[in-house]
Amino acid sequence: SQTIHQWPATLVQPVGSPLSLECTVEGTSNPNLYWYRQAAGRGLQLLFYSVGIGQISSEVPQNLSASRPQDRQFILSSKKLLLSDSGFYLCAWSGSGQGDSPLHFGNGTRLTVT
Amino acid sequence: AQTVTQSQPEMSVQEAETVTLSCTYDTSESNYYLFWYKQPPSRQMILVIRQEAYKQQNATENRFSVNFQKAAKSFSLKISDSQLGDTAMYFCATYNFNKFYFGSGTKLNVKP
Repeated sequence: SQTIHQWPATLVQPVGSPLSLECTVEGTSNPNLYWYRQAAGRGLQLLFYSVGIGQISSEVPQNLSASRPQDRQFILSSKKLLLSDSGFYLCAWSGSGQGDSPLHFGNGTRLTVT
Repeated sequence: AQTVTQSQPEMSVQEAETVTLSCTYDTSESNYYLFWYKQPPSRQMILVIRQEAYKQQNATENRFSVNFQKAAKSFSLKISDSQLGDTAMYFCATYNFNKFYFGSGTKLNVKP
């Protein structure tokens, strides 16, 4: 069966520090991978998605970046965090090119920038 | 980008009663997919139900069913026999061309 791992679960970082959140998927190959951000009490904002190794599409211009160094690994990064980067970050995967394959989410990372 | 609108920020329902959550969306595509996700206090996102736009028959999963009105671009979720465990945020989502877009969510509170 497929599983998705996302870490860390909680992170407190000072303004201006770097960020690296990691997500890995097991039990499937060539998945589509996604990073979403959820502000407190709000909906999910699509940040990045990837349909293959090294292929990253950005939905929202910001100081965040994403990378996909391996087929089932997706990393969210920042060189210098802003207060506005605080939120709940969710990694997710779906079957490639299959509209009937729903999103499967990780447990999320709660990021607080102080 | 496709837009998804959930006009009910918060709703309450008595246990065992029925509640309907609304969702409208905007797309220029003829074929797409629609989903409802549940996010309980644990914040884990859980798929509730999905619908393919080219299928006229409304999807049903146990106590959960949808009312899909393609011409009106409406996709509401009906929860029958509400249970305390249904208390959660509910998100409507659309899929097209590798991207999933979510609404702002409806917070559902099931009261005993």
